[in-house]
Amino acid sequence: DGGITQSPKYLFRKEGQNVTLSCEQNLNHDAMYWYRQDPGQGLRLIYYSQIVNDFQKGDIAEGYSVSREKKESFPLTVTSAQKNPTAFYLCASSAHSAQGSNQPQHFGDGTRLSIL
Amino acid sequence: AQKITQTQPGMFVQEKEAVTLDCTYDTSDPSYGLFWYKQPSSGEMIFLIYQGSYDQQNATEGRYSLNFQKARKSANLVISASQLGDSAMYFCAMRGVNTNAGKSTFGDGTTLTVKP
Repeated sequence: DGGITQSPKYLFRKEGQNVTLSCEQNLNHDAMYWYRQDPGQGLRLIYYSQIVNDFQKGDIAEGYSVSREKKESFPLTVTSAQKNPTAFYLCASSAHSAQGSNQPQHFGDGTRLSIL
Repeated sequence: AQKITQTQPGMFVQEKEAVTLDCTYDTSDPSYGLFWYKQPSSGEMIFLIYQGSYDQQNATEGRYSLNFQKARKSANLVISASQLGDSAMYFCAMRGVNTNAGKSTFGDGTTLTVKP
């Protein structure tokens, strides 16, 4: 089945540690996204990428980094500079916006990150 | 810039009745798409319905319909014949094609509770 796989489901970070969240898709989508969701809140865009080897900052990129070396993969690193990383992180993918505005995003099941 | 506003943090509806969830938006992009997603308590995001900015007719998908009023910049979701399984958080989102190509913006969501 085609879809998006996020791992791990739960992740714990120690103070001063960088952690990387994995996101893999086999939908042949060009665009991929990372969102942060705090309890009871909406989704805030961290980074997005429309093609391989290119990505743009979203609304809350500080303390995060990404790479897009392969079409299928868009890992997110939460660095030690992110002082409040506890949240639910969602990865999504979609067709490129050049194919029109009607391309919905497909989401993974998310990763819950907590501070130890 | 893009902005989505959902003014109803929580809504209640009786089973089998219809309910309207409000969404207003703002964008500088002349071409854009509007989406509604459902997020059950388990956390996954489920795409419900799409409306394009140039679509002449309101979108419908089963029990979901979209009341699109472009001049008022509103895209309200109507759920008919509510079911207990409709209890979830609902998000309105938009995606630009030109100025904000590829960038998706979400509202803060509305928590819907269906009463038996």
